[in-house]
Amino acid sequence: DAGITQSPRHKVTETGTPVTLRCHQTENHRYMYWYRQDPGHGLRLIHYSYGVKDTDKGEVSDGYSVSRSKTEDFLLTLESATSSQTSVYFCAIRGYSGIGANVLTFGAGSRLTVL
Amino acid sequence: GENVEQHPSTLSVQEGDSAVIKCTYSDSASNYFPWYKQELGKRPQLIIDIRSNVGEKKDQRIAVTLNKTAKHFSLHITETQPEDSAVYFCAAIQGAQKLVFGQGTRLTINP
Repeated sequence: DAGITQSPRHKVTETGTPVTLRCHQTENHRYMYWYRQDPGHGLRLIHYSYGVKDTDKGEVSDGYSVSRSKTEDFLLTLESATSSQTSVYFCAIRGYSGIGANVLTFGAGSRLTVL
Repeated sequence: GENVEQHPSTLSVQEGDSAVIKCTYSDSASNYFPWYKQELGKRPQLIIDIRSNVGEKKDQRIAVTLNKTAKHFSLHITETQPEDSAVYFCAAIQGAQKLVFGQGTRLTINP
């Protein structure tokens, strides 16, 4: 759907365990983003990538790391999950040039619950 | 960095009436302002966008206006219908890489 998939779609884990969320795209877009969505806070940027091995922090990056070893995959890792990281996580992709240069296309979301 | 404020947080209108959602941004260098609609349990989807060299853009029942001097932009929905009920997000692009979102507006259309 729209060339972007997230996995897993749902996950329940315990405090202190590591968690990795995967975002996969088939659009060959340069930019990839991870947002979290919480009630009252809208969509907050965690990390983003502007190319293979090129990443940067967003506004809520503490407790998260990312990796992008190839164009199509962008991984979000919670090294030691906490209850405050219970959220819905959205991956998004963005083209670099042309009419759709700034348009974000979102994945379906990954709902993470940390007990 | 860029900060985007969105108001109101909730909005309820009668079917057929108009709805207006407003956003302000802080970075005068921002040059792209999209609006996303998110239905319950779904992903956000782009409904309209505007670039800084344009003051207004319209697409059927929805329109967006931009005031660069005041650094605010607004979404206007006319002749509202039940399917317009959703959460709407405004956003502004910072530094050509980061898209910063407002807090969202939950719009309810009452029959």
